[in-house]
Amino acid sequence: DGGITQSPKYLFRKEGQNVTLSCEQNLNHDAMYWYRQDPGQGLRLIYYSQIVNDFQKGDIAEGYSVSREKKESFPLTVTSAQKNPTAFYLCASSIWTSNEKLFFGSGTQLSVL
Amino acid sequence: GQQVMQIPQYQHVQEGEDFTTYCNSSTTLSNIQWYKQRPGGHPVFLIQLVKSGEVKKQKRLTFQFGEAKKNSSLHITATQTTDVGTYFCAGPNAGNNRKLIWGLGTSLAVNP
Repeated sequence: DGGITQSPKYLFRKEGQNVTLSCEQNLNHDAMYWYRQDPGQGLRLIYYSQIVNDFQKGDIAEGYSVSREKKESFPLTVTSAQKNPTAFYLCASSIWTSNEKLFFGSGTQLSVL
Repeated sequence: GQQVMQIPQYQHVQEGEDFTTYCNSSTTLSNIQWYKQRPGGHPVFLIQLVKSGEVKKQKRLTFQFGEAKKNSSLHITATQTTDVGTYFCAGPNAGNNRKLIWGLGTSLAVNP
């Protein structure tokens, strides 16, 4: 089955710790995205990537980092610089641009211990 | 900056009643997309509208794109408990079509 796999489903971060969220897709999509979802605030774009080894900051990139070493993979690291990391993180992909529909992973709920 | 606003924020209906959510953009959109997110789930693409005045139907769901391509609506006829969730609209950023501007969503609750 083609799709996007996010792991883990739940993640806890201690103060001062970096954590990495995994996102893998087998849809052969070029574009991948990371969104943060907070209650009542909709979806906010953290980073996006259109091709391997290239990525762009979204609207709320501070405190986050990404890499795109393979077409299928787009991991997100939440660094200790992100002071309010508790949120639901969604990875998505599309064929090329946001003018096509987005396919979302099942999300990772990150909480701070 | 460019904004997409959705109303209402919440809607509670009795099963069988109709439901409508409205999406208004501060700028003209090249297209608009609608997604549904079930409680505890992830957004799932419903439809994309591209043409001015376009109307598309999916069973009990009717989607409209305004003539000026700045507003859109989703209407559900005779709601069912399976319609529960949050409905989001999203349109491309005018300055960078690789980014979507999302509405805050309308959360629908259906009483059986």
